[in-house]
Amino acid sequence: KAGVTQTPRYLIKTRGQQVTLSCSPISGHRSVSWYQQTPGQGLQFLFEYFSETQRNKGNFPGRFSGRQFSNSRSEMNVSTLELGDSALYLCASSLGSGGLYNEQFFGPGTRLTVL
Amino acid sequence: AQSVTQLDSHVSVSEGTPVLLRCNYSSSYSPSLFWYVQHPNKGLQLLLKYTSAATLVKGINGFEAEFKKSETSFHLTKPSAHMSDAAEYFCVVGAGTALIFGKGTTLSVSS
Repeated sequence: KAGVTQTPRYLIKTRGQQVTLSCSPISGHRSVSWYQQTPGQGLQFLFEYFSETQRNKGNFPGRFSGRQFSNSRSEMNVSTLELGDSALYLCASSLGSGGLYNEQFFGPGTRLTVL
Repeated sequence: AQSVTQLDSHVSVSEGTPVLLRCNYSSSYSPSLFWYVQHPNKGLQLLLKYTSAATLVKGINGFEAEFKKSETSFHLTKPSAHMSDAAEYFCVVGAGTALIFGKGTTLSVSS
């Protein structure tokens, strides 16, 4: 079974631009979560989608948004990029049904650099 | 609110010696706890998880962790370190459908 895939793997943008990252979950998984990893703040939860609905949201500004499609693929968007948005963005998928703590499987991440 | 504190940012061991990575948690109810490992340029991988079935949890690659409610701890151990264990380790607590990560412990293994 194929794992979680994220595209692109690397991105370079300039301040003020916007960016869209994509995540394809493991087949059959309906929950997709996004995390930001930086050296200073570590790994922080952004949001989680289940069946096209945002079910949980972390403490990030409104410039960070996401969506999920009917095939469970997810995108996250960051508008008006700031230097501090440079990070590794990780996507994780899980079955999402039943108990709250289904194992989350992580993708390799998208490395975003903002210049 | 749930949180985890990893007590050591960096741990160095020699190959063949025991590994101990320390984690304390804070939770207002019975927590779900995890340890994840991240090797350089690789994704996060689940080592083990605690969900109240047993206090001693065995994971992959010889790792195990013991849940101690009285000490609010969930330390990760391995009897004998291998060079391939060198990586970043994260203690994690479940919070609804989100995971709350500790700051991480870098494990170095020398020959």
